[in-house]
Amino acid sequence: RKEVEQDPGPFNVPEGATVAFNCTYSNSASQSFFWYRQDCRKEPKLLMSVYSSGNEDGRFTAQLNRASQYISLLIRDSKLSDSATYLCVVAHYNAGNNRKLIWGLGTSLAVNP
Amino acid sequence: SAVISQKPSRDICQRGTSLTIQCQVDSQVTMMFWYRQQPGQSLTLIATANQGSEATYESGFVIDKFPISRPNLTFSTLTVSNMSPEDSSIYLCSVLIGGTYEQYFGPGTRLTVT
Repeated sequence: RKEVEQDPGPFNVPEGATVAFNCTYSNSASQSFFWYRQDCRKEPKLLMSVYSSGNEDGRFTAQLNRASQYISLLIRDSKLSDSATYLCVVAHYNAGNNRKLIWGLGTSLAVNP
Repeated sequence: SAVISQKPSRDICQRGTSLTIQCQVDSQVTMMFWYRQQPGQSLTLIATANQGSEATYESGFVIDKFPISRPNLTFSTLTVSNMSPEDSSIYLCSVLIGGTYEQYFGPGTRLTVT
């Protein structure tokens, strides 16, 4: 089983739709969680951190479910500009007390007019 | 956040040659990393660039193939040595800000080996 798993998609949705992605992780000791966005042929950019209590930034809501070991990203009122790949990142300390970031393969979203 | 620049932005190289990629950050950062992203794949960490000491390489990556320098807290280089077509990829420099896990990336270097 991969340490971080995402549905690769693609998710094709019309403008204005609400879309949700999940990301599951295998290491129960994982401490920090993030969603990154990567546009085609560009570098990843931090979209938002995911806090235990959940957090919202405009049209984007991120949630963490530690019991089931997954995080989610909800996008409301999708815009054409939301089309991108969304990468899930999970962080923990390894046996050598070094921080490790594990990247998912990403979920592709296409918002259509 | 941090502003990160990389040079070159892209290059086409012949097999057997080497290419050095530079990464410059506009502020001092503790942690710098080098990633590779092959077509259709997610990011793979090559190594952590340590200031003043040897880089820490991930499994599958070795210093002879990917020597890294980090002379100060704002600059690092990654060399891809004795290149083969399998090294064709995007190479990304990344930094961690403060005590968080939030990473910021340079624009990447698109390498094609013929």
